[in-house]
Amino acid sequence: EVQLVESGGGLVKPGGSLRLSCAASGFTFSSYSMNWVRQAPGKGLEWVSSISSSSSYIYYADSVKGRFTISRDNAKNSLYLQMNSLRAEDTAVYYCARDMPLRGFDLWGRGTLVTVSS
Amino acid sequence: DIQMTQSPSSLSASVGDRVTITCQASQDISNYLNWYQQKPGKAPKLLIYDASNLETGVPSRFSGSGSGTDFTFTISSLQPEDIATYYCQQYDNLPFFGGGTKVEIK
Repeated sequence: EVQLVESGGGLVKPGGSLRLSCAASGFTFSSYSMNWVRQAPGKGLEWVSSISSSSSYIYYADSVKGRFTISRDNAKNSLYLQMNSLRAEDTAVYYCARDMPLRGFDLWGRGTLVTVSS
Repeated sequence: DIQMTQSPSSLSASVGDRVTITCQASQDISNYLNWYQQKPGKAPKLLIYDASNLETGVPSRFSGSGSGTDFTFTISSLQPEDIATYYCQQYDNLPFFGGGTKVEIK
């Protein structure tokens, strides 16, 4: 089955760190760029970060630049998001999404909730 | 950065009504515009890519049009299962989303 499954969310204190993972299956993970998208409670979608298939190109939203690091391991079919210096405003459901060239984000995981609170 | 302005932020319509949502880009993005549907508690789903192309399996009552800076998403005959929030997304540059339009049944 073609799917993405996120994990690693939880409750963390402001200033803390968390590492999210996204496990891909059912498709050739190494052929696709991947993304993290988040959604704060009751709010809209916010693109967070993108990484190309070979990790050559990496982009971040200004809101997370310098604090978050995206990476991937094609041998393990996995995408990661290392989140440091977390703030209350980082509280959100974090989705990983596959980037189909010239087609958009065509495959999404169910998301993992990150709560930043003291 | 290219900003996407989506309107309205919410709307209420009757079953069978024609529903239209607009999305305006802050600069020319050609046809690099996608539309997503998100139902409560679920992940977003790609409906339309390249402004007007229907994703496989998406009902034909959904359609999109436009190019440059002005885009339109239409549900030709609103169905109860279409209750959701709809988002546009440009991918000419970084893939920013519009603010979303919540569609409700009147």
